[in-house]
Amino acid sequence: ETGVTQSPTHLIKTRGQQVTLRCSSQSGHNTVSWYQQALGQGPQFIFQYYREEENGRGNFPPRFSGLQFPNYSSELNVNALELDDSALYLCASSSFQSYRPYGYTFGSGTRLTVV
Amino acid sequence: QQPVQSPQAVILREGEDAVINCSSSKALYSVHWYRQKHGEAPVFLMILLKGGEQKGHDKISASFNEKKQQSSLYLTASQLSYSGTYFCGTVRGKLIFGQGTELSVKP
Repeated sequence: ETGVTQSPTHLIKTRGQQVTLRCSSQSGHNTVSWYQQALGQGPQFIFQYYREEENGRGNFPPRFSGLQFPNYSSELNVNALELDDSALYLCASSSFQSYRPYGYTFGSGTRLTVV
Repeated sequence: QQPVQSPQAVILREGEDAVINCSSSKALYSVHWYRQKHGEAPVFLMILLKGGEQKGHDKISASFNEKKQQSSLYLTASQLSYSGTYFCGTVRGKLIFGQGTELSVKP
């Protein structure tokens, strides 16, 4: 059973640029969630995708957008990067079957630095 | 609404016990517990689904009181490997994490 894979592991971008982060979910999982984690803070929920549709969103502006593909992999896109977007971005996959929740499996994250 | 964890930090000697609490102002359907070591991804420990349910994972166990909207994580006879930041997560369609409790176990 493969885990959650994120790419790239590290990224440096300039303020105002756009970035795309990628996530391959664990085999058999149909739900992907994205989190932003600043240093010393808990992961903050960005949004969640279930079967290619966004079905939950946290308190993040529209310049944060995402996609989920038929194979349940996912992308997080951030436009017009700001310095405060510098953080660790975590992807987590899970499986919702018969309304019974399971634990989330996290990837190792992408460390984004905006300069 | 983010759950609230207490304490924010704990320092233990190897073999000592600790309790981490998690409370929510909204009704809880389930509570997750995760541990994150420095520079690593959060790792799932356990999920609690029913009021009063308890679960165990090695010498780590947890309880969930849905009436009080609280969960507690119990670490018994702590080991050096228990060091890390512990997060509770509450689920209302999406998993929302608390701010974390940093646990340090010293020899």
